[in-house]
Amino acid sequence: AQSVTQPDIHITVSEGASLELRCNYSYGATPYLFWYVQSPGQGLQLLLKYFSGDTLVQGIKGFEAEFKRSQSSFNLRKPSVHWSDAAEYFCAVGAKKEYGNKLVFGAGTILRVKS
Amino acid sequence: ETGVTQTPRHLVMGMTNKKSLKCEQHLGHNAMYWYKQSAKKPLELMFVYNFKEQTENNSVPSRFSPECPNSSHLFLHLHTLQPEDSALYLCASSQAPGPFLEKFGQGTRLTVV
Repeated sequence: AQSVTQPDIHITVSEGASLELRCNYSYGATPYLFWYVQSPGQGLQLLLKYFSGDTLVQGIKGFEAEFKRSQSSFNLRKPSVHWSDAAEYFCAVGAKKEYGNKLVFGAGTILRVKS
Repeated sequence: ETGVTQTPRHLVMGMTNKKSLKCEQHLGHNAMYWYKQSAKKPLELMFVYNFKEQTENNSVPSRFSPECPNSSHLFLHLHTLQPEDSALYLCASSQAPGPFLEKFGQGTRLTVV
């Protein structure tokens, strides 16, 4: 069964600094990988996804993520964080099934941005 | 606005009440999902519907009863809930069987007293 680990529960970065959020997954086949962001009181918004091909994936809001098969990782990065990036970030791995698909989420990382 | 609308946004109910959560999408998606998000726990998939048919029930207690009358609407009927059922309930939709989940609703914050 697939699983996702986000080792950092909270991360605090200064506005303008770079950001890396870690994600490790466990899945027997080629994974489908995702990053979602959730602002307080809101639903989840898809930032980016990896299905195949180029291992460096570009997403919305200036985010990118790199798939590293050897490390079973899919870390999220942003070169310069803005105060509006403060939110909770979820990594997820997907299993493609005959009827519908199933996502397994990590526990999330709360990002705080200090000015 | 994501295209997936959940009502109500907030709900407080007693343990003996019966209430329903509603989810609606007009994105042309044919798969709909209920997730439970509790504090300090990963999102838990509860139910999956594909083309109005339930294809997954993730060992959810019977006090939660889903209903999908058509591909655009999804309900979660609640009865005799427990305080530990208090959580954010998220609905999502996608174009099954792939790609994956694309749109989430904003959720219903449920408090059981």
